[in-house]
Amino acid sequence: QSVLTQPPSASGTPGQRVTISCSGSRSSIGSNHVYWYQQLPGTAPRLLIYRDNQRPSGVPDRFSGSKSGISASLAISGLRSEDEADYYCAAWDDSLRGAVFGGGTKLTVL
Amino acid sequence: EVQLVESGGGLVQPGGSLRLSCAASGFTFSSYWMSWVRQAPGKGLEWVANIRQDGNEIYYVDSVKGRFTISRDNTKNSFYLQMNSLRAEDTAVYYCATGDSYNPEFDPWGQGTLVTVSS
Repeated sequence: QSVLTQPPSASGTPGQRVTISCSGSRSSIGSNHVYWYQQLPGTAPRLLIYRDNQRPSGVPDRFSGSKSGISASLAISGLRSEDEADYYCAAWDDSLRGAVFGGGTKLTVL
Repeated sequence: EVQLVESGGGLVQPGGSLRLSCAASGFTFSSYWMSWVRQAPGKGLEWVANIRQDGNEIYYVDSVKGRFTISRDNTKNSFYLQMNSLRAEDTAVYYCATGDSYNPEFDPWGQGTLVTVSS
């Protein structure tokens, strides 16, 4: 059971907009920044969004992040086949004094 | 080019020990927090531990406290994970990653090293 809760799966067709949610607590998302990672099959994760809504250089602006209260969301617009991957949210948890990840969401592009 | 390279993974019996290493290059290693993150086969990501630039602030996930020790050597641009009393549930790919604080802002990551705990 992960500290951050994500839907196990999501799907969309090319060109669509898809959102992935991440629910936490006051001590995690409610008090700290949220980070999002993309993991393509057989590869190491890649930082997609940092500090709730910032994109590292090289990440397309089709990817965006938001946070409200104890929940966060990753939105992917103009869905492409190469976006098919696992997506994870992460945050620091003040009560646990450690970093926590969501269980991951497998995105399928139909 | 920023690069992290893990080594030291392998097959070990339950109760055994293993030491993972992560060699960093392409950035000022001594200026960054370093972390270990693992992924059991077919499962999600789990943060394991992190260590501050000077080594004087360290955090662990509860499941490894008392068994794993994270350390770093800034003169060698390397950091380590000493894993003792290994259990089957420690079987995973172990990634090293860097960030500028204790927050899980990991960029970049290493390629990972597989640790298998089995008799």
